[in-house]
Amino acid sequence: KAGVTQTPRYLIKTRGQQVTLSCSPISGHRSVSWYQQTPGQGLQFLFEYFSETQRNKGNFPGRFSGRQFSNSRSEMNVSTLELGDSALYLCASSLDRLNYNEQFFGPGTRLTVL
Amino acid sequence: QKEVEQDPGPLSVPEGAIVSLNCTYSNSAFQYFMWYRQYSRKGPELLMYTYSSGNKEDGRFTAQVDKSSKYISLFIRDSQPSDSATYLCAMNSDSSASKIIFGSGTRLSIRP
Repeated sequence: KAGVTQTPRYLIKTRGQQVTLSCSPISGHRSVSWYQQTPGQGLQFLFEYFSETQRNKGNFPGRFSGRQFSNSRSEMNVSTLELGDSALYLCASSLDRLNYNEQFFGPGTRLTVL
Repeated sequence: QKEVEQDPGPLSVPEGAIVSLNCTYSNSAFQYFMWYRQYSRKGPELLMYTYSSGNKEDGRFTAQVDKSSKYISLFIRDSQPSDSATYLCAMNSDSSASKIIFGSGTRLSIRP
């Protein structure tokens, strides 16, 4: 069974631009969550999606948004990029809303903002 | 004080040694405990998942949870160079992704 895939793997953007990251969960998994990982703050929760609905959002500004499609694939968007948005963005999938503690992470998208 | 404390290391041990990785926490509501392994430039991989107190063993890995002391451990027996990675503990009070708290990770290096 294929794992979680994320595209693109690497991105370089400049301040003020916007970016869209994509995540395809494991086949059959209906829940997707997104995390930001930085050396200083570690892994921080961004969003949680199930059945195309955002169920929870972490403590991030409104520039961070996301969505989930009917096939469970998810995208996240960051507008008006800032230098501090440079991070590894991780997507994780789980079977459903009862299984977030057994999540499977993708390889991440490494975003660099110049 | 952080909700979850984890020594960042680095921890370097010789091949074949028993490795002990630990996390302490302050929130007594945590009842789900996870350990992830993260190789460089990869996403975290779930190694162990335990509920409440007690031990869980999977091959060379043993996870221990002591809720009375708010302390969890991951033991790696017969450590291999391929175990060299960053190990993250994580905890949750329920099954919601929004409440999972991750430790900062311990970087482990196994010397051949």
